[in-house]
Amino acid sequence: DTGVSQDPRHKITKRGQNVTFRCDPISEHNRLYWYRQTLGQGPEFLTYFQNEAQLEKSRLLSDRFSAERPKGSFSTLEIQRTEQGDSAMYLCASSLGAKQFFGPGTRLTVL
Amino acid sequence: KNEVEQSPQNLTAQEGEFITINCSYSVGISALHWLQQHPGGGIVSLFMLSSGKKKHGRLIATINIQEKHSSLHITASHPRDSAVYICAGGAQKLVFGQGTRLTINP
Repeated sequence: DTGVSQDPRHKITKRGQNVTFRCDPISEHNRLYWYRQTLGQGPEFLTYFQNEAQLEKSRLLSDRFSAERPKGSFSTLEIQRTEQGDSAMYLCASSLGAKQFFGPGTRLTVL
Repeated sequence: KNEVEQSPQNLTAQEGEFITINCSYSVGISALHWLQQHPGGGIVSLFMLSSGKKKHGRLIATINIQEKHSSLHITASHPRDSAVYICAGGAQKLVFGQGTRLTINP
């Protein structure tokens, strides 16, 4: 257990539905990252926050994706109008320095 | 071509063997990370290095900045070392290799 938690751990949804995932970082960590990992591949960067500011977003993050970190603590990642191609493991990580601590991930399956 | 390339993609060895996993990167990075991922998804950071060599137990990581190449070595491998090993470059936003699936047979 790295101290980073994610909820839910698994989510099955139907195409077209909206889903929201939550990440609780290690409390003193000011940076929070979201990554996506598809089967057999390494993770891909989606976005990251320093405190409450979203500093960078990947081109992978279409308009259907939005992430927030309203008080600089927990973060949410919402996917609107899910598509089958969104099926993946969504990983959250947090850091104070350069070393990142990863949560267990949320596995999303879109039917 | 990925910015971070790992080899081999899959590696099977017998318990006790010396293991080497290689990572080459094509972009300038300030740090190179080696990560371990067990079935079920959890990722653990093993090493972060920007030069030279680091050692932790039976694991050794080296990096050659000029050649843009890093290696992860496991000495006296054990079945519990079976996992996916991922290298990643960067300071904030990480760029990941595709991972090396290591299986150590007893």
